[in-house]
Amino acid sequence: QKEVEQDPGPLSVPEGAIVSLNCTYSNSAFQYFMWYRQYSRKGPELLMYTYSSGNKEDGRFTAQVDKSSKYISLFIRDSQPSDSATYLCAMSALFFSGGGADGLTFGKGTHLIIQP
Amino acid sequence: DGGITQSPKYLFRKEGQNVTLSCEQNLNHDAMYWYRQDPGQGLRLIYYSQIVNDFQKGDIAEGYSVSREKKESFPLTVTSAQKNPTAFYLCATLNLALGQNSPLHFGNGTRLTVT
Repeated sequence: QKEVEQDPGPLSVPEGAIVSLNCTYSNSAFQYFMWYRQYSRKGPELLMYTYSSGNKEDGRFTAQVDKSSKYISLFIRDSQPSDSATYLCAMSALFFSGGGADGLTFGKGTHLIIQP
Repeated sequence: DGGITQSPKYLFRKEGQNVTLSCEQNLNHDAMYWYRQDPGQGLRLIYYSQIVNDFQKGDIAEGYSVSREKKESFPLTVTSAQKNPTAFYLCATLNLALGQNSPLHFGNGTRLTVT
């Protein structure tokens, strides 16, 4: 089963707030996890890429993976209006060079709005 | 868009016509992919190619065709057999030489509207 669940939002928060975005999944074999940011009418751009469990931090962004709960999170600190976008999670069991079971499964995306 | 060029940005066609979407990359990446994005749905894989002159069907290949005659180019044809062709189409590439350290890179998409 390849299902990935992601709340579509919209999620609206004031500027400067800490944002938490989440995805849950059912396939315990998933071990590659990604977060993409997509602005309106643009292609997704990679924000964070983690393998297996644990945390990864890059500037204001922190990605967390909890494989025991089948739950991944993206935290955004000191949120800015420029962070307003749709955030997509993606994951795969194997290195995602192919399709089918070897491919990436995407969540539907969460629309985030940062109010100035 | 990091070296991936999709053209045109917007495309309008009448029902029953075939249409070809262009994807060109100068990243020297081996693998190329076509995804479709619809409102309220995750990205879905249409076709992919890991090497020149070879390509594989993804999850929703029906009504689509591709070719990979050059490493840099992976055009997608939306045929009249595709029942719901109106969507946002995304091309992506992957550097297979980097293995699991390489993420998927996306172009900026083509919005196709069929009436």
